[in-house]
Amino acid sequence: DIQMTQSPSSLSASVGDRVTITCRASQGISNYLAWFQQKPGKAPKSLIYDASSLQSGVPSKFSGSGSGTEFTLTISSLQPEDFATYYCQQYNRYPPTFGGGTKMEIK
Amino acid sequence: EVQLVESGGGLVQPGGSLRLSCAASGFAFSSNSMNWVRQAPGKGLEWVSYISSSSTIYADSVKGRFTISRDNAKNSLYLQMSSLRDEDTAVYYCVRHRSGSTWGFDNWGQGTLVTVSS
Repeated sequence: DIQMTQSPSSLSASVGDRVTITCRASQGISNYLAWFQQKPGKAPKSLIYDASSLQSGVPSKFSGSGSGTEFTLTISSLQPEDFATYYCQQYNRYPPTFGGGTKMEIK
Repeated sequence: EVQLVESGGGLVQPGGSLRLSCAASGFAFSSNSMNWVRQAPGKGLEWVSYISSSSTIYADSVKGRFTISRDNAKNSLYLQMSSLRDEDTAVYYCVRHRSGSTWGFDNWGQGTLVTVSS
């Protein structure tokens, strides 16, 4: 199975900050990577697919980049509603696998 | 608007069975592949099973114990779970397969909690 490693596993940031989360794949996955946001008690929500394509309805403050084994999710101008846990997921090969998550908290 | 609503979760003893359901609306259900993804309490996400119009696939952790099925006439997805173990305790999400992708997901239901405990 392809292992997905996210860093950091948690981070503290302030409203208005710009943050970047990294996701590394144990082998190349081209651009078959997605990012999801999950708030406590809620289902994951799709943010980014194909590494850099924005899901319909998601604000442009979210952006993704990368290819191969290293990927990033950047969130600009953090707002209170952005504090959540973020997961990456590879879909290049079976089985689909997720990163362990990055929990973002307000500083 | 795409809506996926799971039901059927609850408390079950180890070795027991449970059937989850997912009611889909807002899209052409019969034309879409579907998945179940689970999340143990306080843990990350784990893909469980996939179904298309012609095939089913399972994670090794549930193979031989879980059965995924669908009823296109009722716009419904199911997961029959048997020989349940403590480690199957999780929120189970019904997830639509992203069209044109290999293993991409887009819309998720709100989830239903399955607790396996004596």
